[in-house]
Parts: sequence; C-alpha cells; structure tokens
Amino acid sequence: AQTVTQSQPEMSVQEAETVTLSCTYDTSENNYYLFWYKQPPSRQMILVIRQEAYKQQNATENRFSVNFQKAAKSFSLKISDSQLGDTAMYFCAFIVYNNNDMRFGAGTRLTVKP
Amino acid sequence: EAGVAQSPRYKIIEKRQSVAFWCNPISGHATLYWYQQILGQGPKLLIQFQNNGVVDDSQLPKDRFSAERLKGVDSTLKIQPAKLEDSAVYLCASSRNPGQPQHFGDGTRLSIL
Repeated sequence: AQTVTQSQPEMSVQEAETVTLSCTYDTSENNYYLFWYKQPPSRQMILVIRQEAYKQQNATENRFSVNFQKAAKSFSLKISDSQLGDTAMYFCAFIVYNNNDMRFGAGTRLTVKP
Repeated sequence: EAGVAQSPRYKIIEKRQSVAFWCNPISGHATLYWYQQILGQGPKLLIQFQNNGVVDDSQLPKDRFSAERLKGVDSTLKIQPAKLEDSAVYLCASSRNPGQPQHFGDGTRLSIL
C-alpha cells in the first residue's frame, strides 16, 4: 500500500529565512509523481511543486525547491526567503502513474513570523 | 483559465438530513475527483470520474454517499442520511488525465449538528 508520512505537525520560521518540510513515502512502484500542495485558511489546495520519479534533477519553482531522494523515498520541500503569505498547511502527496488514488500526508502547519 | 468551482461554500445540517454538493471542473479536464478532508487530516479520495464514468469509488461509503457526473462535465456529491462523522470539508478537483496535477476548488465545509 502507498503511504505518505509527514513527521512535522507544526513548524515556524522567521520571515526571510529558509525552512525545510519533511516527507517520506512508501511504495513498491517505480513510476510515480510527488507533489507538494499548500492549503491556506481559504481552504483551496494550491499546487506548489511537482516531481516525476524518473527525473533525477530536483524540481525548482522560484523560492520553492525539493530534495528528492528516490532510494530513501524522501521528498522534502525547501522554502527560501519565507514570506508571510507562505503561512499555510502544506501537504505532501503521491500518485502512481496512471493510477487513481492520490495519497496525502497528514500535513505540516507552517507559520511564518514577522 | 477559470478554476474549479464548488458550491455551497458552507453547509450546516442536522444528522439524518440529506445534503448535496456541486462541482464544475476546469474546462477540458476529463478527470474529476471528490475528496473528504476531516479536520487535521489530509484529503481522502472518495470517488474519481473519467468523463462520465466512475473509475474508482472504493472509498466511498455507498450506503449513504452517492455521486454522479452525467454529462461528463459538472458533478454532484450527495449524502443521505448524514451522520456526525461526515463533518468535513469536501473538496473537488480536476485534472486533464489521471496522474496529472490536480486543481482543487475551494471546498464545501459541512457541519453536522
């Protein structure tokens, strides 16, 4: 079974600093996608970044980057130059290629402090 | 492009009543998903449609939940009768195809009294 684990229920960071959110997953599949979603209080899930498992290069999207360690089944999110608007719940998610069921972790609540 | 539209945004009902949620996906997205997100947890997939056909409803409590996407565009999710444990946010998402990034609506927060 596919599972996603986020071991940090809550984290905080000072504005302009860098923070890393952890995510591990478990699967026997080889072709899959990994995602980080942001959910602010407005509730909408916003895609932050996406990684294809077959790509060795870590995905980067402006201030957001990932450290994808396929052998270790680890997929951490690094937020650089944190902004107040980054305050939200962050969910790590996983889906097997052409599968139906995207599995989410329990989330990490990130607070950016001024 | 317009995002995924959901309504209502909030709904409060008493247990044993029925309720329906509506979702209009992004134009051209063939795949539509309904998720249940209980407070403090990540979303859990309830049902997935590919066009107007059900692909996966293995986690849908079929004794009380039903969903349809008759014309392959918008979709409704119904709960009848509601139980206290159904209190959650119900999220709709769509993607061009399975496995592609999913775009989410704002969700409907359901409270059961």
